[in-house]
Amino acid sequence: AQSVTQLGSHVSVSEGALVLLRCNYSSSVPPYLFWYVQYPNQGLQLLLKYTSAATLVKGINGFEAEFKKSETSFHLTKPSAHMSDAAEYFCAVSEDGTSYGKLTFGQGTILTVHP
Amino acid sequence: EAQVTQNPRYLITVTGKKLTVTCSQNMNHEYMSWYRQDPGLGLRQIYYSMNVEATDKGDVPEGYKVSRKEKRNFPLILESPSPNQTSLYFCASSSNAGINQPQHFGDGTRLSIL
Repeated sequence: AQSVTQLGSHVSVSEGALVLLRCNYSSSVPPYLFWYVQYPNQGLQLLLKYTSAATLVKGINGFEAEFKKSETSFHLTKPSAHMSDAAEYFCAVSEDGTSYGKLTFGQGTILTVHP
Repeated sequence: EAQVTQNPRYLITVTGKKLTVTCSQNMNHEYMSWYRQDPGLGLRQIYYSMNVEATDKGDVPEGYKVSRKEKRNFPLILESPSPNQTSLYFCASSSNAGINQPQHFGDGTRLSIL
């Protein structure tokens, strides 16, 4: 079965600093990988997805993630944090090799941005 | 506007009192699912549906029921709720028309079972 591990349940950065949220996965099939963001009292919003095209994936709000098969990683980065980036972030892998089917989520990482 | 709508958004109830959380999507999506979110555990799938009258268990189905009589609706039923079902619930939908279709999530339903 697929699994996802997010390293660090809480990450704190200063405004303007690099954001790095770590995600490692295990998958028995070529994976579809996703990053979702959850703002307080809201549902999950798709940030970006990897579906076996380019290994560097650009998403919304200046975020990007790089798929590294050798490291089974899909870390999320943003060069310069903004206060509005404060939220909880979830990495997810598709269970069945499609992007629309069951997702297995990581535990989530809460990002705090300090002025 | 494309959306997944859940109702209610918040509910406090007591053990054993049957409740239903509704989920409706306006995108003509075939695939719908329910997740629960608990601190430190991320989201875990409860049930999913590939299409009308086609449902199956996810990872944590115990204590829940679902039905899919219409394509747009996928209600989650707790026949006899218990305190361990206190959680934040999300409904999601997606199209299987293309292999790269992402899932759309509702805004969540926070259930408290006393």
